[in-house]
This record gives sequence, C-alpha cells and structure tokens, in this order.
Amino acid sequence: ILNVEQSPQSLHVQEGDSTNFTCSFPSSNFYALHWYRWETAKSPEALFVMTLNGDEKKKGRISATLNTKEGYSYLYIKGSQPEDSATYLCASSNAGNNRKLIWGLGTSLAVNP
Amino acid sequence: SQTIHQWPATLVQPVGSPLSLECTVEGTSNPNLYWYRQAAGRGLQLLFYSVGIGQISSEVPQNLSASRPQDRQFILSSKKLLLSDSGFYLCAWSQVIGASNQPQHFGDGTRLSIL
Repeated sequence: ILNVEQSPQSLHVQEGDSTNFTCSFPSSNFYALHWYRWETAKSPEALFVMTLNGDEKKKGRISATLNTKEGYSYLYIKGSQPEDSATYLCASSNAGNNRKLIWGLGTSLAVNP
Repeated sequence: SQTIHQWPATLVQPVGSPLSLECTVEGTSNPNLYWYRQAAGRGLQLLFYSVGIGQISSEVPQNLSASRPQDRQFILSSKKLLLSDSGFYLCAWSQVIGASNQPQHFGDGTRLSIL
C-alpha cells in the first residue's frame, strides 16, 4: 500500500448503534498514525495520534487501535449519537519525512436519530 | 491556550488575479506550520510546511508560494491564479517536538473560488 485508504467511504447508522471504520496505510518505515473528526462547517479536530504497534487509545465513546506490522488502524464508536455525524480522517507519516502526513479521503458517518 | 486564525473565510477571485491568504497562531512559540488544500472530491493535500521563520518546504509543484515572515505567521500567495487553484485551503500548526507524532490543529479554512 502506497497511499492511505479508508473504508467504507460513507456509513449510515441508527442512534445507539456501534460502528467501526478502517484505515490502511504504508507499513514500511511507519512513524505515526493520526485520526481526526471533521464536522460540517468546522475545522478538523484531532482525535488520536498513535505510534506504537498495538496502541489502543480511547476518548469517551470513541476508541482506536493500531497494527503497524500489517498497516491498519480501526476507529470504533460505541453507541453512536447524532452529534457523532462527521467525516473521520486518518493520516500517516513515515520516518523519512515525519513532518508530512499522507491523508485518506475519509469515512463520512451519518447517525440517524 | 493556543488559537489559530485564518482569513478570509471565503474568497471569489478572477483567473489571473493575485492571492494572499493569511494564517496566524497565538499562544505557542516556534510551531510547525502547514498549508493544505482540499480540491473537490479529493483528500487533504499538503502544499507547504514550515519549521521556522523563512523556512518553507514545498510538497508539490504548483502556482502557489508560501512565506513565514514571523514566527507565528504563515502566508499563502499566488501572483496569477488559475482555475485549478479553486478549493478549500486549511492552515494548521503543530508542536515542533516529535514532529508528526503531535496532532495538528487547524484553522477554519478559506473557500477559494476562481471564476
């Protein structure tokens, strides 16, 4: 994998459902993996930055895991609420140029009340 | 606390006109600064980043330039805009230490439309 790929592209769930998205990234020379939430009419907001294989991070009902050997990260949302509706972006960097993030296209989540 | 200001929020410019978008950060010193563009249907593309005053790295060849005249000021410019310059431009900053294992903090963005 040369780029950062996210799936699914979009997702519609009912309030209370739990859901998860996938981010695939280049595992070679990996440095860091970022997750952001981008709500309509706002700017992207950082959720997590992970660097170590096996990292798990949690923020309220949202959590993320990282597998650097196989190059993927999962973002989980437990008990989705309408305010979780947003585009979730992931981005990765490598040790060769660790200031540059390569961004996925995002997963657009819509939570229906 | 740190804040980032980016302006203007929207801009409509004719082809061939100049451009200047400004971004300032408050509450931190010597941040890494970034300019991104999101074209319609595309992901965020890094245009420029800066690790200090006068230090600019360009990621893609293009019609744009960036400058950092002061520690917390980052300016995106063009002498002659092209139709392909349309898009949503975001400025961001991050702490220097650790570089990309620090989260980036974004401004509110500028919607640029070229006519």
